[in-house]
Amino acid sequence: AQTVTQSQPEMSVQEAETVTLSCTYDTSESDYYLFWYKQPPSRQMILVIRQEAYKQQNATENRFSVNFQKAAKSFSLKISDSQLGDAAMYFCAYRSALAQGGSEKLVFGKGTKLTVNP
Amino acid sequence: DTAVSQTPKYLVTQMGNDKSIKCEQNLGHDTMYWYKQDSKKFLKIMFSYNNKELIINETVPNRFSPKSPDKAHLNLHINSLELGDSAVYFCASSQEAPGYRTDTQYFGPGTRLTVL
Repeated sequence: AQTVTQSQPEMSVQEAETVTLSCTYDTSESDYYLFWYKQPPSRQMILVIRQEAYKQQNATENRFSVNFQKAAKSFSLKISDSQLGDAAMYFCAYRSALAQGGSEKLVFGKGTKLTVNP
Repeated sequence: DTAVSQTPKYLVTQMGNDKSIKCEQNLGHDTMYWYKQDSKKFLKIMFSYNNKELIINETVPNRFSPKSPDKAHLNLHINSLELGDSAVYFCASSQEAPGYRTDTQYFGPGTRLTVL
């Protein structure tokens, strides 16, 4: 079974600075998707960024980018120019690309709580 | 327009009661899910449905019974509620079509269930 590990329960960053959240995963599959979801105090799960394992290029979405190291099974999230609104729980998630027909479950890490200091 | 909606957002009830949480998506997706987020914020899959058919049924007590009357709705009924059922329950949906690689799941706002 696949597992996702987020080794940093909490992180903090100064406003306008850059922070990197770590995520590692364990799988025997070669084709899969990786995601970062953000959960602010409102509780809503918001997709931040996704990466397809067969793509070597790291995904970017505005101030958010990932460092995807497939051989190392590492998928870190970099937040540049941090803003107060970035404060939230961040979850790393894995999904097999082989799964289909409703079996596409997400396997989540335990989350990293990010605090942004003004 | 809300893509994935859940009702109620908050539910407080006594042990032993039976309650339901409703989920609706207007994205035209084929697959819907229920996830549970425990008090430590850990999220885990409970069920998935594809075109009204149960696909994933993780190790969940049979007091939990999902029901999908149509593709746009997936409800969760819980019998004989216990203290340990207190959690946030998230509904999600995604789309699959022949030749199309599905990836993104869209989440509802969550339902915070408190069992007293």
